[in-house]
Amino acid sequence: DTGVSQDPRHKITKRGQNVTFRCDPISEHNRLYWYRQTLGQGPEFLTYFQNEAQLEKSRLLSDRFSAERPKGSFSTLEIQRTEQGDSAMYLCFGATGGGPDTEAFFGQGTRLTVV
Amino acid sequence: AQKITQTQPGMFVQEKEAVTLDCTYDTSDPSYGLFWYKQPSSGEMIFLIYQGSYDQQNATEGRYSLNFQKARKSANLVISASQLGDSAMYFCAMREEWRGNKLVFGAGTILRVKS
Repeated sequence: DTGVSQDPRHKITKRGQNVTFRCDPISEHNRLYWYRQTLGQGPEFLTYFQNEAQLEKSRLLSDRFSAERPKGSFSTLEIQRTEQGDSAMYLCFGATGGGPDTEAFFGQGTRLTVV
Repeated sequence: AQKITQTQPGMFVQEKEAVTLDCTYDTSDPSYGLFWYKQPSSGEMIFLIYQGSYDQQNATEGRYSLNFQKARKSANLVISASQLGDSAMYFCAMREEWRGNKLVFGAGTILRVKS
């Protein structure tokens, strides 16, 4: 148990619908990262927060995607007007501190299927 | 240029034997960390082992060891005494301090342990 939880674990939605995922890191995790993983590929960076500030967004994060971390604790990732290409595993991990040697434990992931 | 290269799409190993999964990386950041993760079919990313760029000794965690050759920029994972439960996808990842400490992943290697 990494202490990082994601909800829901699975989501099936119709194309064009909006979906929202949640990631709850442990309280010590001042950094929170979102990744997307399509079938047969390694995870790709989407965005990250330090406390409540969103510090970086990947060009993969189109304007249909928005992420928040309102109180520096849990984070949400929303996808508007979903497309079939959004079908993927969405992973988050939390980290303490800012150095390269800080731990990086992932949640269980949210598997999104757009039909 | 690829930051993380895993040249073995798939590997087979006999149960109880050792196996080495290859990983090479590319960075000019003097401070970085190297991670290995295991991803079973359930999809969660399980942290296995970490090696810091300044660490003098190779990291070990139980049956996992990381063969770190800094001059060659390689960070191979060695799994000793393979078990059937080791069958999974394995990802090598790098975190660079200059780049916001994001994790950059390789394409992964599928390992199958034969009985």
